Amino acid sequence: DIVMTQSPDSLAVSLGERATINCKSSQSVLYSSNNKNYLAWYQQKAGQPPRLLISWASIRESGVPDRFSGSGSGTDFTLTITSLQAEDVAVYYCQQYYSTFLTFGGGTKLEIK
Amino acid sequence: HVQLVQSGGGLVNPGGSLRLSCAASAFTFSDYYMTWIRQAPGKGLEWISYISSDGSTIVYAESVKGRFTVSRDNVRNSVHLQMNSLRGDDSAVYYCARDPNFELRPYYFDYWGQGTLVTVSS
Repeated sequence: DIVMTQSPDSLAVSLGERATINCKSSQSVLYSSNNKNYLAWYQQKAGQPPRLLISWASIRESGVPDRFSGSGSGTDFTLTITSLQAEDVAVYYCQQYYSTFLTFGGGTKLEIK
Repeated sequence: HVQLVQSGGGLVNPGGSLRLSCAASAFTFSDYYMTWIRQAPGKGLEWISYISSDGSTIVYAESVKGRFTVSRDNVRNSVHLQMNSLRGDDSAVYYCARDPNFELRPYYFDYWGQGTLVTVSS
């Protein structure tokens, strides 16, 4: 299975500041035939199911604020939240779909400093 | 609007069985792959199984293979997870989820059920 490793485990950022969450895969999730990275990001608030934020490493879902952005390729990916808002407090997960056996990162807990 | 409403779950003894259901609405259910994902208390997300749109292909994670069975009813717009030989480490919130892509396997998930808690304990 492809192992997804997120860092840091937790993060405290001041309101209005930038938050950066990293995700590393144990093997490349870039599919050479279409040059797409098979990686998604989710946000999970307490007591709620996950919400899809980004697919294909950098494509923001409809309705997701543009302060959320995804970047990276191959094995190293980043979710960036510019100008953190109070409602962004959540756990964030990356997920690879390169392999049939889908795997998630361990999550990064984002709090307000 | 798209909804996935889950039912079932609860407290069960080790070795016991439980059946979860997920009722879909506001989309053409028979067009979509459906997936089950679980989350142990305070832990991360674990994919456990998916079923193709017509039910002909089902894949399980090794952790549940041989104990869990997924099925779907495209007339009643529902997907089910039959869990047998339950163990303590099966205790988790279980989610059903929809993949918006029309590929030969699931990719990512745009709609999730509300989750249902399964607790395996004597």
